[in-house]
Amino acid sequence: ETGVTQTPRHLVMGMTNKKSLKCEQHLGHNAMYWYKQSAKKPLELMFVYNFKEQTENNSVPSRFSPECPNSSHLFLHLHTLQPEDSALYLCASSQDRGLAKTDTQYFGPGTRLTVL
Amino acid sequence: AQKITQTQPGMFVQEKEAVTLDCTYDTSDQSYGLFWYKQPSSGEMIFLIYQGSYDEQNATEGRYSLNFQKARKSANLVISASQLGDSAMYFCAMREPYNQGGKLIFGQGTELSVKP
Repeated sequence: ETGVTQTPRHLVMGMTNKKSLKCEQHLGHNAMYWYKQSAKKPLELMFVYNFKEQTENNSVPSRFSPECPNSSHLFLHLHTLQPEDSALYLCASSQDRGLAKTDTQYFGPGTRLTVL
Repeated sequence: AQKITQTQPGMFVQEKEAVTLDCTYDTSDQSYGLFWYKQPSSGEMIFLIYQGSYDEQNATEGRYSLNFQKARKSANLVISASQLGDSAMYFCAMREPYNQGGKLIFGQGTELSVKP
């Protein structure tokens, strides 16, 4: 596998379910990100991890819980979500969080989440 | 606060013609990075091109070029010789400096449709 992979690609869950999204990067990067993309809205940054440490939580509700066990893997644990949480969830990684071209963020294919 | 504006919700272009997608940005920082991404209907965000704020030359990557006008704070994407596979959403994004978190801020996007 190369690049950034995400599983599952599609997920339908009820409001009382617990599920997890998984992201894996094969690029040797040190920073990983979760974004939310709702219909007709720009991408919203949710969380940033740098060298496994969370460096940013963009006022995300506690029903979203990230986990970064190592620099290659990132999870988003979901619990008691609301229908308005239905969206495309994108994972990205970058070498670092600087401004150079080498710090470009590369994205996975996303998980399309539907909350019933 | 940094802001990205894409004023064209949708654009049409004839196959083999060139098209320009507009992007303006607002920042008080001297150092920043500008990016364009393509998002096909499958959902994946594909990195296209990067321009650093101190780069004197406009960036080019194959059929993509970035028309960078720093004084006007614009970073328009030019796609030459459009192909049917270019039909997608296109997002302009700006990277904040590292000491401000290094976040990637996205515009609303432009939907490009290439006509045969």
